[in-house]
Amino acid sequence: NAGVTQTPKFRVLKTGQSMTLLCAQDMNHEYMYWYRQDPGMGLRLIHYSVGEGTTAKGEVPDGYNVSRLKKQNFLLGLESAAPSQTSVYFCASCFLAGGPSGELFFGEGSRLTVL
Amino acid sequence: GDSVTQMEGPVTLSEEAFLTINCTYTATGYPSLFWYVQYPGEGLQLLLKATKADDKGSNKGFEATYRKETTSFHLEKGSVQVSDSAVYFCALKGRNYGGSQGNLIFGKGTKLSVKP
Repeated sequence: NAGVTQTPKFRVLKTGQSMTLLCAQDMNHEYMYWYRQDPGMGLRLIHYSVGEGTTAKGEVPDGYNVSRLKKQNFLLGLESAAPSQTSVYFCASCFLAGGPSGELFFGEGSRLTVL
Repeated sequence: GDSVTQMEGPVTLSEEAFLTINCTYTATGYPSLFWYVQYPGEGLQLLLKATKADDKGSNKGFEATYRKETTSFHLEKGSVQVSDSAVYFCALKGRNYGGSQGNLIFGKGTKLSVKP
């Protein structure tokens, strides 16, 4: 089972370059999330989506954009990369968020370095 | 707002030692509580959960009890193995879904290293 797949796994950018991270899930989940993980900071929510065609801001949305054109895909874009965006990015999904015990399923992460 | 505080690591133990990783939370109402584990080079995966006070979550020899009176959800294992080496995250999900949309609030993570 593929679950949640992120591409690319690794990327090095120069300051000012743009790129898109792709998250794909094959579990027919409604909700999808993008987190970033930084040392000593845990996971922080960047953006999320509660369904196809909808997106919303999380805790740290500045410098990122997202799109959810298809239910199974959630794209995270950096229009002009900055060194502060060097991080490991995780995508996650869940079937429905409207319940107390909903489990999030995570991808393996995408390590981004901005020089 | 809601928050999770867990003990800072790293924690280094010998195989078969007893493990406790402390986690306390601040939340309005009655959140659900989770422990996620991240093995090296992998994403997070759910280890155990509890959805109401006094519930005990358990999995793979790990346990945690939802203590409302102390707002805690400490992770314990009686005898750790080298394969338990990982980063452990405590998390909560509030019950105010209108704004949070089911978002998990994570602690900063505790790295556990188990030596043979």
